[in-house]
Amino acid sequence: AQSVSQHNHHVILSEAASLELGCNYSYGGTVNLFWYVQYPGQHLQLLLKYFSGDPLVKGIKGFEAEFIKSKFSFNLRKPSVQWSDTAEYFCAVNSPLGGGYNKLIFGAGTRLAVHP
Amino acid sequence: DGGITQSPKYLFRKEGQNVTLSCEQNLNHDAMYWYRQDPGQGLRLIYYSQIVNDFQKGDIAEGYSVSREKKESFPLTVTSAQKNPTAFYLCASSSGALAKNIQYFGAGTRLSVL
Repeated sequence: AQSVSQHNHHVILSEAASLELGCNYSYGGTVNLFWYVQYPGQHLQLLLKYFSGDPLVKGIKGFEAEFIKSKFSFNLRKPSVQWSDTAEYFCAVNSPLGGGYNKLIFGAGTRLAVHP
Repeated sequence: DGGITQSPKYLFRKEGQNVTLSCEQNLNHDAMYWYRQDPGQGLRLIYYSQIVNDFQKGDIAEGYSVSREKKESFPLTVTSAQKNPTAFYLCASSSGALAKNIQYFGAGTRLSVL
């Protein structure tokens, strides 16, 4: 069965520290990969996505992620975090439903707390 | 503002009671989805619908029911058969070509059992 594994459930950083959140997936077919973010009290929103092409994708708010096919990984990075990055981060991979539609297989999430 | 509206934000269910969670979208999206979020488990798919008057079971459909009478609306009923309904429920929608892979989420409904 397809699955997504996020290595860290809780991460605590100081402002200006660098961030890397690990994500590994198990799926043998063509993958579309996503990082979603859920800020406190807000809805889940798309941070960045990979469909094809350049394996280094850039998203909103200075985040980027690198797709490494050989490692089945899609790690999220940010060079310098801010207090406003405090949120829960979810990695997801598509799973075809037919008709061009997909469901998303989510990882368990990583709670990031950034201290001023 | 375009988006997905879920209501209520908080809901309490008594034992043996059915409750219905509302999900409305004005994005003109064809597909709609219901996910359940439990702590430490990410999100799991309950039901999805690709078109009006059609819907399919997801991974954890037991104890839930849905309807899709209008394109904009995809209500979820948590029935008394769902023995562990306490969770955060998220509705999502998607539409169009490659964009079918991108899902947009509502703010969620938190359901608790009294």
